[in-house]
Amino acid sequence: GAGVSQTPSNKVTEKGKYVELRCDPISGHTALYWYRQSLGQGPEFLIYFQGTGAADDSGLPNDRFFAVRPEGSVSTLKIQRTERGDSAVYLCASRPTPGAYEQYFGPGTRLTVT
Amino acid sequence: GNSVTQMEGPVTLSEEAFLTINCTYTATGYPSLFWYVQYPGEGLQLLLKATKADDKGSNKGFEATYRKETTSFHLEKGSVQVSDSAVYFCALRTNTGTASKLTFGTGTRLQVTL
Repeated sequence: GAGVSQTPSNKVTEKGKYVELRCDPISGHTALYWYRQSLGQGPEFLIYFQGTGAADDSGLPNDRFFAVRPEGSVSTLKIQRTERGDSAVYLCASRPTPGAYEQYFGPGTRLTVT
Repeated sequence: GNSVTQMEGPVTLSEEAFLTINCTYTATGYPSLFWYVQYPGEGLQLLLKATKADDKGSNKGFEATYRKETTSFHLEKGSVQVSDSAVYFCALRTNTGTASKLTFGTGTRLQVTL
């Protein structure tokens, strides 16, 4: 079956612009996560959705970052007034149920802020 | 807070050599431990997991044992292949709270040559 998909695969934007990154989780997966992976680092947690609500947004670095999942499926990560330090690969993962161990990761969106 | 420390790479081995990638962790409670692998051009994939002390996770010839006394989860393989060339991430998940988010190490790049 289809895995987690993310669009776009690459995004180049100018400093100060607004960007949206999309995640399509595996159908039926209730939990959805966003992580950010900077060059040479492991992924860092940003936000977790269980259904439509953000159950934990403690990883969002500041109020320029926001994410939604209005219908409990597709999620969008929104970054306002982008800065060069936001350049990273943004990963999305989904998990079938709260009790399941495995998170299934998408291929990521590489964001470059110039 | 939770953290994962892995040996720095890159690790370069000849085919059929023995592999060890060290991983130690700091966590509150009793975490579940994971190894994820990222092959070139692909997304993160779960390689193996262990959910309690003394458990051994294994997959594709790789093994790791959850050692509570040394807070370690070292990855081993008896005979590596060129196709094992990838970046390996150690991760933990605490089993308290609602997020069940993953905390990753910085990753270890493995390069296997003929």
